[in-house]
Amino acid sequence: DGGITQSPKYLFRKEGQNVTLSCEQNLNHDAMYWYRQDPGQGLRLIYYSQIVNDFQKGDIAEGYSVSREKKESFPLTVTSAQKNPTAFYLCAVYSAENEKLFFGSGTQLSVL
Amino acid sequence: ILNVEQSPQSLHVQEGDSTNFTCSFPSSNFYALHWYRWETAKSPEALFVMTLNGDEKKKGRISATLNTKEGYSYLYIKGSQPEDSATYLCAFLSGGTSYGKLTFGQGTILTVHP
Repeated sequence: DGGITQSPKYLFRKEGQNVTLSCEQNLNHDAMYWYRQDPGQGLRLIYYSQIVNDFQKGDIAEGYSVSREKKESFPLTVTSAQKNPTAFYLCAVYSAENEKLFFGSGTQLSVL
Repeated sequence: ILNVEQSPQSLHVQEGDSTNFTCSFPSSNFYALHWYRWETAKSPEALFVMTLNGDEKKKGRISATLNTKEGYSYLYIKGSQPEDSATYLCAFLSGGTSYGKLTFGQGTILTVHP
C-alpha cells in the first residue's frame, strides 16, 4: 500500500548490534502492527499499538522493542537479545473504516 | 498463544480445478476472521473480513464461509487460474475491538498449473 513505508528493504545486523526497522504511515489510522515471517511459517505477531503512546506485546516480543510517539510512526528495534533475528518483517496498519489490515512492503533482516 | 491452524499447508491444482482450504480457530472470544492473499513479491491483501456465524462472502471466483460455533472457515476458489497462485492466510481477531490482537495461521500455498 502506497501509504505505508517500510525501510530499509534489506538490513544486515552484526553480532551484538541493535538495529531499528522503520514503519511510517500517512493513512491516519490508529492501530499499527509488526509481524515476522520465517520460511514455512505464517505471520507471527511481535508487537501492536492501538493508539499513540501505548503498545502491547504480541506472541514473540522477546528480543524486540517498539515505541509509538507519533501516530504516523511505529519503529521496531531488534535488540542483541534476539538470538535468531533473520526473517522478513512486515508492518501493517488497521483501517477501522474498512476493517482490514494494510501492509507495508517489508524488510528482510539478515545476520552477518 | 492462540492456535490458528490452516490446512493443507500446500496445494497443487490444474487450471480450471476448483479447490478449497480450511482455517481453524478458537471458538471462544471471537470477534472477526480475516482472509488475506499474499502473492510473491507483493504485500498481503485482504480478501474478506467475516464477523457473523454463518456469514458467506464472495469476490469473483473466490468465496468464504464462517462457522464461529465450531471454529472454522472455508475458502473456496472456483475454476482456479494461474494468477490465483499465492499464499492464502487467515487471521483470527479476538477481544472486543476491531483492531485488537490479530493472530495469523501459517498459510496455505496454492500453485495453479497451466
